[in-house]
Amino acid sequence: DAKTTQPTSMDCAEGRAANLPCNHSTISGNEYVYWYRQIHSQGPQYIIHGLKNNETNEMASLIITEDRKSSTLILPHATLRDTAVYYCIVGSGGSNYKLTFGKGTLLTVNP
Amino acid sequence: GAVVSQHPSRVICKSGTSVKIECRSLDFQATTMFWYRQFPKQSLMLMATSNEGSKATYEQGVEKDKFLINHASLTLSTLTVTSAHPEDSSFYICSARLAPSYEQYFGPGTRLTVT
Repeated sequence: DAKTTQPTSMDCAEGRAANLPCNHSTISGNEYVYWYRQIHSQGPQYIIHGLKNNETNEMASLIITEDRKSSTLILPHATLRDTAVYYCIVGSGGSNYKLTFGKGTLLTVNP
Repeated sequence: GAVVSQHPSRVICKSGTSVKIECRSLDFQATTMFWYRQFPKQSLMLMATSNEGSKATYEQGVEKDKFLINHASLTLSTLTVTSAHPEDSSFYICSARLAPSYEQYFGPGTRLTVT
């Protein structure tokens, strides 16, 4: 599976958009981009995933560049409860697809 | 959304004893469940993948005789830490895959402390 690179930490003001970048320059054609987050001392939470097109759901938007070498997770109106470690994971899916968690980005939303 | 529960949420056991952790998918059938371990200030590390009715597949370096996994039904997987030692103290998290999609839904985790 392709490796991802994320900033170690980011800060965001409450109510503003949080834009979390992820580089995955070695991604292959059949690999998806997944985003999960983990609030302290809890299990990770699925956020969104995409292949080529931009995706949006009730939690976030995922913008994938045309060459698919990077993506950005957007939380449109960050709240204090969005403070968490955000993981960008790339993989090809499949019935036994395994998620390989990197270090992720610690997003801190400040009042 | 899909809900996964774990029981217990916290457990303290004495060195040399065994402890069982349950993982249940509450509102869906999970053909595949995963077990992770997370040490303080570290990321999640996959321990094993289990499919209902078959033997679990363990990641390299994970002792299958120490971490027994049973996936007896489509809604229940158990992890038994046998002969626990203090170095097994960790946060154990399970996840379940909601077929046919590839998203994994995670349980809230179990904090194991071995004294």
